[in-house]
Amino acid sequence: GESVGLHLPTLSVQEGDNSIINCAYSNSASDYFIWYKQESGKGPQFIIDIRSNMDKRQGQRVTVLLNKTVKHLSLQIAATQPGDSAVYFCAELRDNYGQNFVFGPGTRLSVLP
Amino acid sequence: DSGVTQTPKHLITATGQRVTLRCSPRSGDLSVYWYQQSLDQGLQFLIQYYNGEERAKGNILERFSAQQFPDLHSELNLSSLELGDSALYFCASSVAPEPVSEGYTFGSGTRLTVV
Repeated sequence: GESVGLHLPTLSVQEGDNSIINCAYSNSASDYFIWYKQESGKGPQFIIDIRSNMDKRQGQRVTVLLNKTVKHLSLQIAATQPGDSAVYFCAELRDNYGQNFVFGPGTRLSVLP
Repeated sequence: DSGVTQTPKHLITATGQRVTLRCSPRSGDLSVYWYQQSLDQGLQFLIQYYNGEERAKGNILERFSAQQFPDLHSELNLSSLELGDSALYFCASSVAPEPVSEGYTFGSGTRLTVV
């Protein structure tokens, strides 16, 4: 498959453990955030979103936390599985480009058996 | 399958050449976005079209251009190609002019290699 971001920070976790992926965003005026998952050879895929009027949102096995004070997002994955191995991007919706997403640099999650 | 179709999947061309990348959005989506993903720059927004009209421009070089046709498919034209243009080019689509929920739906990308 395609290699994305050979120099990305990597998080290695044991299968079954919880994973926490962090992201800092830059624009305090951004009011909508998404986490995307990108598997090798595929395009980014929506995981979960959160608006700035919330500080936590839960999905199936995933939770996103938003700390507006320090402009920080985190993605928590419970009971990490081999299929969770991918690159994870946070994206903030910014008005600079007519309301388009600006993506963070990404984190590679590697799940160890 | 996300419903967003990009062709070709792979493209190898020489410096100085021109290529056209094609994208068919998900059925019902009127907005098309183009992103470039390179190893050192991550995902960079290039340009957005909504219902045939250019809506927003990001970090798109003057050598690059795009359009959206009446059937809503979009083409990204890259000319005077340089080695540094080698990257994955993604197309994404959404229903509304702005991604109001669940962001965009991405295609699988076109891998461009300039030699």
